[in-house]
Amino acid sequence: DAGVIQSPRHEVTEMGQEVTLRCKPISGHNSLFWYRQTMMRGLELLIYFNNNVPIDDSGMPEDRFSAKMPNASFSTLKIQPSEPRDSAVYFCASGTGGSPLHFGNGTRLTVT
Amino acid sequence: AQRVTQPEKLLSVFKGAPVELKCNYSYSGSPELFWYVQYSRQRLQLLLRHISRESIKGFTADLNKGETSFHLKKPFAQEEDSAMYYCALSGQGGNQFYFGTGTSLTVIP
Repeated sequence: DAGVIQSPRHEVTEMGQEVTLRCKPISGHNSLFWYRQTMMRGLELLIYFNNNVPIDDSGMPEDRFSAKMPNASFSTLKIQPSEPRDSAVYFCASGTGGSPLHFGNGTRLTVT
Repeated sequence: AQRVTQPEKLLSVFKGAPVELKCNYSYSGSPELFWYVQYSRQRLQLLLRHISRESIKGFTADLNKGETSFHLKKPFAQEEDSAMYYCALSGQGGNQFYFGTGTSLTVIP
């Protein structure tokens, strides 16, 4: 198994632009999590899905952030419009009941 | 409610010295506890889980339900142990995960 796959690995964009981060979970996993990691706040849970359904999005910072999971093998996290304070590493992780989470390599986002 | 607490943001020890990274949790029911490690600019990787009761890279962690703690220990720290360590809790059938704020461990040569 290739593990959790995230793309792109790095994204540099200008303030105001739309950013889309992608995640392919491990096949067979029914839970998917999006986290944001910064030096100041550490690892923050943004949203998680169970069986493609968003269960808890209370961590999504504001309306500029949205996440979708159209099927069991794909999820996106979109920021529109992006702002410099959104610069962070965004991790996707997947799991299934009782098993540990498996993390992707992350997307390092820089908004200038 | 804060479910996982890691009181130390930074921890430095000398090579060969014992190291203990603290983790306390708050959860009703029977949670599962994990330690994850993140080496510089890499993804988080599972280090160990309490139900396995195993030692990985010389690290062990014992779940103390009375003290609601899951401290990570290693008797002799190595330079390659320098990393960020996250304590995590899984509840409700494993579909909820809560992470602590992490402890950055530096092992001084």
